Amino acid sequence: DAGVIQSPRHEVTEMGQEVTLRCKPISGHNSLFWYRQTMMRGLELLIYFNNNVPIDDSGMPEDRFSAKMPNASFSTLKIQPSEPRDSAVYFCASRGTVTDTQYFGPGTRLTVL
Amino acid sequence: EDKVVQSPLSLVVHEGDTVTLNCSYEVTNFRSLLWYKQEKKAPTFLFMLTSSGIEKKSGRLSSILDKKELFSILNITATQTGDSAVYLCAVSAGNNRKLIWGLGTSLAVNP
Repeated sequence: DAGVIQSPRHEVTEMGQEVTLRCKPISGHNSLFWYRQTMMRGLELLIYFNNNVPIDDSGMPEDRFSAKMPNASFSTLKIQPSEPRDSAVYFCASRGTVTDTQYFGPGTRLTVL
Repeated sequence: EDKVVQSPLSLVVHEGDTVTLNCSYEVTNFRSLLWYKQEKKAPTFLFMLTSSGIEKKSGRLSSILDKKELFSILNITATQTGDSAVYLCAVSAGNNRKLIWGLGTSLAVNP
């Protein structure tokens, strides 16, 4: 299995621009998680999906952030408009039905200038 | 509020030393406790513990859970420079099985 796939790996953009991060979970996993990691706050859960349905988006910082999961093999996290304080590493993780273990993608390092 | 606390926050040792990393938790409806290792990339899974007193072991790493005292330890024996990383502890709780994360312990192993 290829594991969780994320793209792009690095993104540098200017304040005010729209940013779209993409994730393909492990095949057969039915839960998908978007995290943000910073030195100050560690790993923060932004939103998670179960069977393509958003279950908990309480971690989404504000209306500038949105996430979708149109099918079992693809999810996007969008930031519009982006701000410098959004600079962080964004991870996608997926989980199967049997255990609580989440498997992480390589992450997207976002820099907003 | 659910929380996971790891200690120490950082640790510097010499190759060959043995280290013990701590994770304590307060959560509602505990399901499992997980340890991850994070080098300069994504967290990678090490262990999942669900039962008290049963040690999980992989090479030089081992971990145990105490559900009465609400903590877990991760031991690394004969440390190597490749063990240098941030070690994250997370607890799965509730019906939705969300993970509650600690801030991690940053381990540096010097040659």
